[in-house]
Amino acid sequence: GAVVSQHPSWVICKSGTSVKIECRSLDFQATTMFWYRQFPKQSLMLMATSNEGSKATYEQGVEKDKFLINHASLTLSTLTVTSAHPEDSSFYICSARASGGVYEQYFGPGTRLTVT
Amino acid sequence: AQTVTQSQPEMSVQEAETVTLSCTYDTSESNYYLFWYKQPPSRQMILVIRQEAYKQQNATENRFSVNFQKAAKSFSLKISDSQLGDTAMYFCAFPQAGGGADGLTFGKGTHLIIQP
Repeated sequence: GAVVSQHPSWVICKSGTSVKIECRSLDFQATTMFWYRQFPKQSLMLMATSNEGSKATYEQGVEKDKFLINHASLTLSTLTVTSAHPEDSSFYICSARASGGVYEQYFGPGTRLTVT
Repeated sequence: AQTVTQSQPEMSVQEAETVTLSCTYDTSESNYYLFWYKQPPSRQMILVIRQEAYKQQNATENRFSVNFQKAAKSFSLKISDSQLGDTAMYFCAFPQAGGGADGLTFGKGTHLIIQP
């Protein structure tokens, strides 16, 4: 149980285009989902917290107009990178916390974004 | 703001040896959770062990145990009888506001290599 999927696992897009990444909790309901970014050989950095039915909370320094987050249901959160540039190339990881869960966060397998 | 420090970028030990990874943190919270995550080459984040600060007893999960020193704000991970499959990046993590349900702040990680 407690499986989180991400789609796509790897995406290549051209500079200036937008790309959407999906994060799904497959066997549980997630009121809260988190989006992290990981550059090569670096740690994870929290980008935003997404709560179902409300606006996402972005960490300091994260451009909310560039990284659009929508948590439309208890099993799906999406991250849209708008007008992508090469510096947005990174590994994006989501995690989900089960409704009523105290502390456990379940991580997705990540999405590698390459902007050319 | 919470900070998490891992001072060992890389460690290498022989199979079956015991290894300890260090982590220190800074917080003004009095009650909080601490986590160790493993990220193997697949990049899937895996929870290794968690510790609740109000619990005096150090957490243990099979070959993994922690040495939690609250006053010193130290949270080290000990891996006993290390196995080849333990080779991975290990991240110490602390919830943004201390609570287990928050987004996580990660340390820079320790790359652990288990040699045959």
